[in-house]
Amino acid sequence: EDKVVQSPLSLVVHEGDTVTLNCSYEVTNFRSLLWYKQEKKAPTFLFMLTSSGIEKKSGRLSSILDKKELFSILNITATQTGDSAIYLCAVGQGGSEKLVFGKGTKLTVNP
Amino acid sequence: GAVVSQHPSWVICKSGTSVKIECRSLDFQATTMFWYRQFPKQSLMLMATSNEGSKATYEQGVEKDKFLINHASLTLSTLTVTSAHPEDSSFYICSAREHGLTSREQYFGPGTRLTVT
Repeated sequence: EDKVVQSPLSLVVHEGDTVTLNCSYEVTNFRSLLWYKQEKKAPTFLFMLTSSGIEKKSGRLSSILDKKELFSILNITATQTGDSAIYLCAVGQGGSEKLVFGKGTKLTVNP
Repeated sequence: GAVVSQHPSWVICKSGTSVKIECRSLDFQATTMFWYRQFPKQSLMLMATSNEGSKATYEQGVEKDKFLINHASLTLSTLTVTSAHPEDSSFYICSAREHGLTSREQYFGPGTRLTVT
């Protein structure tokens, strides 16, 4: 059975802290791994990773994929209260392009 | 970036009635659209994959006669929840993948919150 497991499920930090969110997967016909940020409504796209070892960076956020060990991490440095959200990891499968989602990590950044 | 809209954004209906939710790609053509359901504090669960001009592919455990999907054009897919029951109350989200591009990114709509009383 295809599965995507995220950890931790929830995390509370103070502004300025650095956080690392984890995503491991066991999915047939892997094509890509995607990170989304979900606030009150639908997820917004952060990163798509297809190659191992190549870091993707956008401002204070960065992510990397390890296809050998089947996991990815999402780093957020100098966190701000606006980073509070649920961060979803999803794996895209070939052919149908279906996404299998993890349960998400709820991040709370306190001032 | 690409925009996907959903209508309505929220709906309340009585048990036994049917509700139609629309998903539109506003500035691109979408060969494939996906319908997800999200219960409180849960992740997105794929319900079905909707392909323009053909029958939708439903995930295991999703009743195709209850959740009718129509993808009549490259910019519109509809999900109809038939004979809705309170347990169908959920947040329904669609996503769309742009036709012809190599990008595998899906663009998500803002979601529709359905409450069945």
